[in-house]
Amino acid sequence: LAKTTQPISMDSYEGQEVNITCSHNNIATNDYITWYQQFPSQGPRFIIQGYKTKVTNEVASLFIPADRKSSTLSLPRVSLSDTAVYYCLVGAPYSSASKIIFGSGTRLSIRP
Amino acid sequence: DAGITQSPRHKVTETGTPVTLRCHQTENHRYMYWYRQDPGHGLRLIHYSYGVKDTDKGEVSDGYSVSRSKTEDFLLTLESATSSQTSVYFCAISDPSWGGETYTFGSGTRLTVV
Repeated sequence: LAKTTQPISMDSYEGQEVNITCSHNNIATNDYITWYQQFPSQGPRFIIQGYKTKVTNEVASLFIPADRKSSTLSLPRVSLSDTAVYYCLVGAPYSSASKIIFGSGTRLSIRP
Repeated sequence: DAGITQSPRHKVTETGTPVTLRCHQTENHRYMYWYRQDPGHGLRLIHYSYGVKDTDKGEVSDGYSVSRSKTEDFLLTLESATSSQTSVYFCAISDPSWGGETYTFGSGTRLTVV
């Protein structure tokens, strides 16, 4: 199983850049790294996905080092609305769903 | 999310009664999943389906069964509800490709077993 390890919680302030790191030491060759965001009383929502190096979209950036054993989700200039739980997932397309573990995620709290 | 709906959104039921939760999608995605979410446990996979009449068990399948007779519908049944099945249930869909795979989740069903 491609197990991931993330910090349980993080705090930051509005306007700051937040970086959440995820460790996935046993990532396989075909695995992608995907991050989801979940607000209270809602289902998780896709943020970003990558395989290697750097990916950027309108919401976040994802940094993946060459060995792919970790990844960092970067949220630029956070606001109060970024307070949520963030999940890091590792898995390959078409692999068994039972091999993709959500874990407990990182609870990010943004203060004014 | 657009394209995936869960019903009901809330339900209270008594211990020992059967309960069926419904997930409906309009995306024609092949894969569908049921998760439960409890404090301290994150999301745990109950059952999943990779096509009509093709289903498999997840991490916490005991006490649950599923059926998928049409691409768009995935039903989760609690045969005889217990208090330990009080939880928030999420349905998800995906459409894998070798360019990656992402999940789209429904809004959830909050189930309380009394």
